Formats: sequence, C-alpha cells, structure tokens
Amino acid sequence: DAKTTQPNSMESNEEEPVHLPCNHSTISGTDYIHWYRQLPSQGPEYVIHGLTSNVNNRMASLAIAEDRKSSTLILHRATLRDAAVYYCILRDEGGGSEKLVFGKGTKLTVNP
Amino acid sequence: DTAVSQTPKYLVTQMGNDKSIKCEQNLGHDTMYWYKQDSKKFLKIMFSYNNKELIINETVPNRFSPKSPDKAHLNLHINSLELGDSAVYFCASSHWQDSNNEQFFGPGTRLTVL
Repeated sequence: DAKTTQPNSMESNEEEPVHLPCNHSTISGTDYIHWYRQLPSQGPEYVIHGLTSNVNNRMASLAIAEDRKSSTLILHRATLRDAAVYYCILRDEGGGSEKLVFGKGTKLTVNP
Repeated sequence: DTAVSQTPKYLVTQMGNDKSIKCEQNLGHDTMYWYKQDSKKFLKIMFSYNNKELIINETVPNRFSPKSPDKAHLNLHINSLELGDSAVYFCASSHWQDSNNEQFFGPGTRLTVL
C-alpha cells in the first residue's frame, strides 16, 4: 500500500479556512486519494475522495497537485465540530483490495 | 435508524475469557469489516467479508474468529483474551460495486482486558 505523510497536528480558528496537506510521492496511476476523519470517541467517517481533478462536496474540497504527489483537504469555514483526526488514504481501485490503510493522520484543533 | 451498530459499546473482562462483539448494518451493503484501534490510536484492518465470504484476513491471531451469518451481520468472537487485545474495535460496511466504496463505520466497542 502506498504511503502518505501528514503533519501530526494543526490548529485553526473557528470560521476560518483550514488546509490540511498530504504528501504521497509514491502514488501509482490507479490510486485514488481518500480522506476520512475521526471525531472524538466516534468511528471514522468518509469526507471526500478524488483521482486527478479537484473535488468539492458539502463537507470539504480536495485539491490534487498536477503530478498527484500531494493533495490538500480544504475546510472552507472550520467549526468546532470539525475538530477531529483527518486521515489521507490511498486506495488502489483496480486491485480489488477494499481495505483502508490508516496512517497517523492530522489532529485538527479548532479554537473558538 | 442507525446505519452500522455494534454491541456492546463497552466490554470489560478478565484475561482468558471468551467474548463476542456483534455488528449489524441496515444499509444493504454486501461487504463488512472489522478494524482495531489500539491505545496509540492506530487503526488497522483485521477482517473483511464480501457476501458472507472472507476476503481479507490481516495476520490476526487465530483466537479471533469472525462470523458472518448473513450479509447484514459480522460478529467477532475472541477466545482466550489477552491484555494486548484491549482496544477499540470498529465494524464497517460498504457496497463492493459502489464507485466511491465509501465505508461506513460503527460507533466502536471498547474492550478492556484485565
């Protein structure tokens, strides 16, 4: 499984944008970039995913570098509820393996 | 109308005991998983079942035995519990053919072995 690198922690203020980076220099052509987050004392939840183009949904945006060696999860206006550990995960959609391989993730603290 | 539910939420037991954790999903998914999150917060896949067939078994001791009576249920039975089994266990489900293959996680079962 290709590896991702994320900062251990980041801090933001409420209602400000947050950019969570992820490096994946060994990404292969069939790897999709998935983001999950885990709120305190809860199971992980899906946030967004993409392959090459930038993606938007109601939760966040995903900006993918042109060479696909890095990506950034963007929370446009952080709320206290967004405080969580965010995981950037590569998944080979062509390999038939459906497991999620979680790294250490980035712990996001949102200040009021 | 919980999507993925687990019972019990907390489980405290003595070393050497046998215990089970149950998982049910009402999303109509055909694939279910068990993950383990240890004290350092690392989340790791343990097992995955697709249409009641085991498809992933990640070097888990054979004291752990998953059982899938039907597509909506995946239970985890643990024999001869050890201190190192203390962790939070998460069940998840997904639809194999879903292009997103988004996995939906349960709330977790915190197992404490004394």
